Amino acid sequence: SQTIHQWPATLVQPVGSPLSLECTVEGTSNPNLYWYRQAAGRGLQLLFYSVGIGQISSEVPQNLSASRPQDRQFILSSKKLLLSDSGFYLCAWSRTGGSEQFFGPGTRLTVL
Amino acid sequence: QKEVEQNSGPLSVPEGAIASLNCTYSDRGSQSFFWYRQYSGKSPELIMSIYSNGDKEDGRFTAQLNKASQYVSLLIRDSQPSDSATHLCAVNTGGGSNYKLTFGKGTLLTVNP
Repeated sequence: SQTIHQWPATLVQPVGSPLSLECTVEGTSNPNLYWYRQAAGRGLQLLFYSVGIGQISSEVPQNLSASRPQDRQFILSSKKLLLSDSGFYLCAWSRTGGSEQFFGPGTRLTVL
Repeated sequence: QKEVEQNSGPLSVPEGAIASLNCTYSDRGSQSFFWYRQYSGKSPELIMSIYSNGDKEDGRFTAQLNKASQYVSLLIRDSQPSDSATHLCAVNTGGGSNYKLTFGKGTLLTVNP
């Protein structure tokens, strides 16, 4: 069976500090991978998606970036966090050619 | 801009009743439709997928799709307190091999014992 991991589970960071969130998927090959953000009182916003190693599509211009160094690893980064970056960050995966997406447990980020 | 609209609720039903959750979408070319359940502080969990017009039943859940009206709904029969959660409607708005989902903001369902 497939499982998806995210870490850390919670994070408190000062404004201007860097960020690195990691997501890994087990039990499948060549998945599509997605990063979403859910801010308080708002819906899920797609940030990035990837269909393969090194292939990243950005949905929203911002100070975040994503990388996929390995087939089942997806990383979300920032060089300098803003207060507005606070939120619940969710990684999701789908099978190649599949539209059902399955979410990881999420990382709750608070920027102070 | 492709949009997915849901009544934010809260929708409150007594235990054992039928809960009806509704969703409309703007992209007439959408082909795949999903319902997720999200408990407070947790990540969304896929509970139903529907791709064709009509009804799809899975246990206590029935998803209904009407592409002509751009409307998708979720019926939960014999509602239980464990169904109390925010229910998110999601619509595939991608193309080709890239299945991007657009989510509604969700409807909060409360099932009262």
